[in-house]
Amino acid sequence: AQSVTQPDIHITVSEGASLELRCNYSYGATPYLFWYVQSPGQGLQLLLKYFSGDTLVQGIKGFEAEFKRSQSSFNLRKPSVHWSDAAEYFCAVGERNTDKLIFGTGTRLQVFP
Amino acid sequence: NAGVTQTPKFQVLKTGQSMTLQCAQDMNHEYMSWYRQDPGMGLRLIHYSVGAGITDQGEVPNGYNVSRSTTEDFPLRLLSAAPSQTSVYFCASSPTGSLTNEQFFGPGTRLTVL
Repeated sequence: AQSVTQPDIHITVSEGASLELRCNYSYGATPYLFWYVQSPGQGLQLLLKYFSGDTLVQGIKGFEAEFKRSQSSFNLRKPSVHWSDAAEYFCAVGERNTDKLIFGTGTRLQVFP
Repeated sequence: NAGVTQTPKFQVLKTGQSMTLQCAQDMNHEYMSWYRQDPGMGLRLIHYSVGAGITDQGEVPNGYNVSRSTTEDFPLRLLSAAPSQTSVYFCASSPTGSLTNEQFFGPGTRLTVL
């Protein structure tokens, strides 16, 4: 069965530090890949997505993610974190033939000044 | 343009009570869906609709009913609430059911069943 793993439940970084959030998936073919952010009390907002082509994708708010087929990973990165980036981040995998979306369990990011 | 709106924001129910969570979108999207979010778990799909008059079950449909009489509205009904339905509920919409279209999420309804 398809699955998404976000191994880090909670990450704390200092403002200005770099960030990498991990996401691994299990899927028989190349899936659609997504990263969403959920700020406190808010719904999910799409940060970026990968469908095909260039494996390094740019998103909103200065985020990027790289699809690595050999590692079945789609890690989210940001070179310099801002306090406003504190939120919960969800990786999701989409099945191309069914349009089913499977979410990971999320990583909560805390940013210290 | 309000996007996806959900009411209420918070609700406390007693076991066995019924209620309807409201969801509306003003983007003329054909596809709407309901998810629940539980601690330590990703969002799970409850029900979805690909257009007015058409609904289908998602991953965790038991205990929930939906209907889609208009393009704009997609209410979620709990006929007899159970403590296991304590969760945060999100409604989402997109132009079509294809994942190549961005899904827009509402702010959520936090439901507690005592």
